[in-house]
Amino acid sequence: NAGVTQTPKFRILKIGQSMTLQCTQDMNHNYMYWYRQDPGMGLKLIYYSVGAGITDKGEVPNGYNVSRSTTEDFPLRLELAAPSQTSVYFCASSTRTGNNEQFFGPGTRLTVL
Amino acid sequence: ILNVEQSPQSLHVQEGDSTNFTCSFPSSNFYALHWYRWETAKSPEALFVMTLNGDEKKKGRISATLNTKEGYSYLYIKGSQPEDSATYLCAFIIGTNAGKSTFGDGTTLTVKP
Repeated sequence: NAGVTQTPKFRILKIGQSMTLQCTQDMNHNYMYWYRQDPGMGLKLIYYSVGAGITDKGEVPNGYNVSRSTTEDFPLRLELAAPSQTSVYFCASSTRTGNNEQFFGPGTRLTVL
Repeated sequence: ILNVEQSPQSLHVQEGDSTNFTCSFPSSNFYALHWYRWETAKSPEALFVMTLNGDEKKKGRISATLNTKEGYSYLYIKGSQPEDSATYLCAFIIGTNAGKSTFGDGTTLTVKP
């Protein structure tokens, strides 16, 4: 199993550009999450999904969109990138929330200039 | 926004010292508390998933306790080793919406040989 994979690993965007961060898991997990990690801070939940076709906002959803058309994939879309979105983005998945640990991808480091 | 606090923010100890950190979380609507270990340039990895008041978990030299009534969890490391150097994160899972994880900002441990 590859676990949770994320692409790209690094990306530099200009202000106003858009991009999609890809996340795929091969563990047949129902729950998937997107987090951002800012320097010196913990992980902030952006969006999460409890299954294909179902998504919900986390703590910091503004400026992002998600979709979940399959169990495996959970892409995160940035529209009109802003410097405040410079961060490291982690995708995670779990079999069932709460009682089960989350498995994290390797992260995507995004810089918006 | 849920308040999940970890203390201390950072800790420097000598090899062989025992240490402990605290995670404080809301005492109402508790569902689960996770501990993760996060090494530099890697992704967070789960240490413990704790769900019951009074839970005690152990993995090698690392152990954790949980008090849901007063809203805190302790993580203990006995006989710290340089390879224990990492950031330790706790995540609170609320019972009213088990899809939402709220992470603390972490405690960064540095163990000097």
